[in-house]
Amino acid sequence: EIVLTQSPGTLSLSPGERATLSCRASQSVSSSYLAWYQQKAGQAPRLLIYGASRRATGIPDRFSGSGSGTDFTLTISRLEPEDFAVYYCQQCGTSPWTFGQGTKVEIK
Amino acid sequence: EVQLVESGGGLIQPGGSLRLSCAASGFTFSDYSMNWVRQAPGKGLQWISYIVSSSSTIYYGDSVKGRFTISRDNAKNSLYLQMNSLRAEDTAVYYCARARRIFGVDAFDIWGQGTMVTVSS
Repeated sequence: EIVLTQSPGTLSLSPGERATLSCRASQSVSSSYLAWYQQKAGQAPRLLIYGASRRATGIPDRFSGSGSGTDFTLTISRLEPEDFAVYYCQQCGTSPWTFGQGTKVEIK
Repeated sequence: EVQLVESGGGLIQPGGSLRLSCAASGFTFSDYSMNWVRQAPGKGLQWISYIVSSSSTIYYGDSVKGRFTISRDNAKNSLYLQMNSLRAEDTAVYYCARARRIFGVDAFDIWGQGTMVTVSS
């Protein structure tokens, strides 16, 4: 099973700041199969990024993804109030599909 | 509107059984592979099962293998999860989620609102 480790666990930032979230895999993941999701309290997850760097439909361009192999990054260029949430990475390249444990982005 | 709506959750005793349903609308359900994902209270996401459009390929996570069965009825635009031998650690919100691509799986692009399953005596 591929283990995804996200860091940091919590990121305390102010609106307008840049957020950088990391996802490290225990073995190489094809970039085609690395996705990022946003989840707000009491809501279902929402797909942000697929294929490591492709924005899903309707996702603002302040969200960007990068990386390859075992190291992937989600960047939010300028935090908006609605961006404070928990973010998960996921790999679908090797069954079982796995998620990281999440990074909470909170208001400082 | 593309939508998934889960139902069937509730309170069940350890060792009991429950069947979850997921009703799809707004897209051609029979074209897409589907998944079940769960989230224990205050915890992260855990993928538990996958089924291709034709039901010819099915995968399970180790934590539910042998106890849970995924199925679908394309004529009814519905996905199911039969859960047997339930344990306290199965307590979670259960989401159905659509695979983004028609061929292969690279992400889950549509999610239901979830249904809560509580396993407790």
